[in-house]
Amino acid sequence: SQKIEQNSEALNIQEGKTATLTCNYTNYSPAYLQWYRQDPGRGPVFLLLIRENEKEKRKERLKVTFDTTLKQSLFHITASQPADSATYLCALEGTGFQKLVFGTGTRLLVSP
Amino acid sequence: SAVISQKPSRDICQRGTSLTIQCQVDSQVTMMFWYRQQPGQSLTLIATANQGSEATYESGFVIDKFPISRPNLTFSTLTVSNMSPEDSSIYLCSVAEGREQYFGPGTRLTVT
Repeated sequence: SQKIEQNSEALNIQEGKTATLTCNYTNYSPAYLQWYRQDPGRGPVFLLLIRENEKEKRKERLKVTFDTTLKQSLFHITASQPADSATYLCALEGTGFQKLVFGTGTRLLVSP
Repeated sequence: SAVISQKPSRDICQRGTSLTIQCQVDSQVTMMFWYRQQPGQSLTLIATANQGSEATYESGFVIDKFPISRPNLTFSTLTVSNMSPEDSSIYLCSVAEGREQYFGPGTRLTVT
């Protein structure tokens, strides 16, 4: 069956450290993968998109990698700040163009 | 990026009743999407709404339970019909700009 899995346990790190979140997928062949941030009581906010032919993508303190052989994407936040505390979701197209399937999300807690 | 508003932001409803959720976008868009986020879960796509045509529903969702209207390029409604406690969720609409999606703030529905 098709699955998108993220670590369901919260990730606790100290301010200034690098946070690394994992997204693994099964029985999908995505042309691209996306990462979103979701704060409590709010809708997800788009962060980054990486295509299958891109190994790595960066935006400010964010970095995403995409390994289609391992069927895995890693999401890194460098020099993390308490304001980075949120749930991070990975997503890919499921049944069609723009029809996203989301992972379960990983909650990140950055302590001062 | 598109700015999306939803009404109501939250509601408490009795079982057997129906609730219509409104989604307004500040620009004209071709497709709008409706998602459900059950407590502690990730987002699940309910349907895709194109202006001037019937909505397309994902597996497990039917028009009789979740009728959708799309009267113009900036507005859509989702009705949750004959509600049961299992319908208690956050309902979100979104629009796509290319492959990036932008979400409304969500409607938190509690069915008692």
